[in-house]
Amino acid sequence: SQQGEEDPQALSIQEGENATMNCSYKTSINNLQWYRQNSGRGLVHLILIRSNEREKHSGRLRVTLDTSKKSSSLLITASRAADTASYFCATDTGANSKLTFGKGITLSVRP
Amino acid sequence: DTEVTQTPKHLVMGMTNKKSLKCEQHMGHRAMYWYKQKAKKPPELMFVYSYEKLSINESVPSRFSPECPNSSLLNLHLHALQPEDSALYLCASSQGLGREQFFGPGTRLTVL
Repeated sequence: SQQGEEDPQALSIQEGENATMNCSYKTSINNLQWYRQNSGRGLVHLILIRSNEREKHSGRLRVTLDTSKKSSSLLITASRAADTASYFCATDTGANSKLTFGKGITLSVRP
Repeated sequence: DTEVTQTPKHLVMGMTNKKSLKCEQHMGHRAMYWYKQKAKKPPELMFVYSYEKLSINESVPSRFSPECPNSSLLNLHLHALQPEDSALYLCASSQGLGREQFFGPGTRLTVL
């Protein structure tokens, strides 16, 4: 069953704008991870945020986690055409430590 | 070396064939994973190996048979597959369970 649900399902923005993607989940987690996937290729790990953390930054990425609302957001600032990809949140619930992926968000950045 | 490699990149097989997918990493990771991904869907976990032992089998049909010959290698043996098994098969590794995973580029499998 799906643990993470991303919102929106698709997002189209202009280069230079910020992109915000949200993820909601159902059960308590050890950590939440964000991945990027370019069309038909493997996933690339972007950032991991632990359940006791509220915010993390990595370059142009900012991730927040609200465990009381069971939600996370991924902000990509100053987007580039190369950011065009599918983005997945994935939760580690600690049960066997397997990752459960959300359905994904398709981000299109127009040059 | 921070790469996970997978071979072959593409594979076309008939329903009576036997084939194998191969995955390799040299990052010293002790957990390795097989995922199946259909078009426009998220990856679905199939198997997890931890310290070369199978720790998770997500009720995968027996026509898929994983093997972990050593800490760097992971194979997926395929036999008598169905057309609905056509998908992108992804391998991943991590330092340990629950850590960030590094994915290979995948094998695009088509079953005729």
